[in-house]
Amino acid sequence: GAVVSQHPSRVICKSGTSVKIECRSLDFQATTMFWYRQFPKKSLMLMATSNEGSKATYEQGVEKDKFLINHASLTLSTLTVTSAHPEDSSFYICSARDLIYEQYFGPGTRLTVT
Amino acid sequence: GQQVMQIPQYQHVQEGEDFTTYCNSSTTLSNIQWYKQRPGGHPVFLIQLVKSGEVKKQKRLTFQFGEAKKNSSLHITATQTTDVGTYFCAASREGGTSYGKLTFGQGTILTVHP
Repeated sequence: GAVVSQHPSRVICKSGTSVKIECRSLDFQATTMFWYRQFPKKSLMLMATSNEGSKATYEQGVEKDKFLINHASLTLSTLTVTSAHPEDSSFYICSARDLIYEQYFGPGTRLTVT
Repeated sequence: GQQVMQIPQYQHVQEGEDFTTYCNSSTTLSNIQWYKQRPGGHPVFLIQLVKSGEVKKQKRLTFQFGEAKKNSSLHITATQTTDVGTYFCAASREGGTSYGKLTFGQGTILTVHP
């Protein structure tokens, strides 16, 4: 099946710094990618929809200036957590949708803000 | 917004016992998807149900979509230790810019005792 990669898999950063997470579709083009956030033993919460060549659309309650999304190409979307704080610590997962609209999830990035 | 309720939150079974998780929505769903997330892993797509009353099987897993397309279930026959993980249902939002966005149920954490 289709493969989606995320980098880094784990990152620890200090409070106040920014962290960039990459999501790549490795063997298909994805005009749409989605960014989710998951707390321990909780469900996935959709944060935003990343559209290639246009601005991302954010879910209600998600700060767009806090979570910057850039979908620069058909195979790459990035999520930048700006001025990170400990409450931003979480598991961030992206998914990419192929041309027949199946979604494939990346392996996730565990962010810890100290 | 669209909500999908999933029960139970936890299920502990002895190896060989059956397991079922249920998802319910107050609104009619266009389709429902099921995912499995192993501990420490990311969601992996299992199946999508689209038709009213649809039943699909994958080896020991049976997926059902209700006649009214408001509920769904996943049943595992004779569980094995490899079935351990969290099972999520997810409903796809339809229409306009919402197309493809998934609303996840809370998930059911399955543990299997050997």
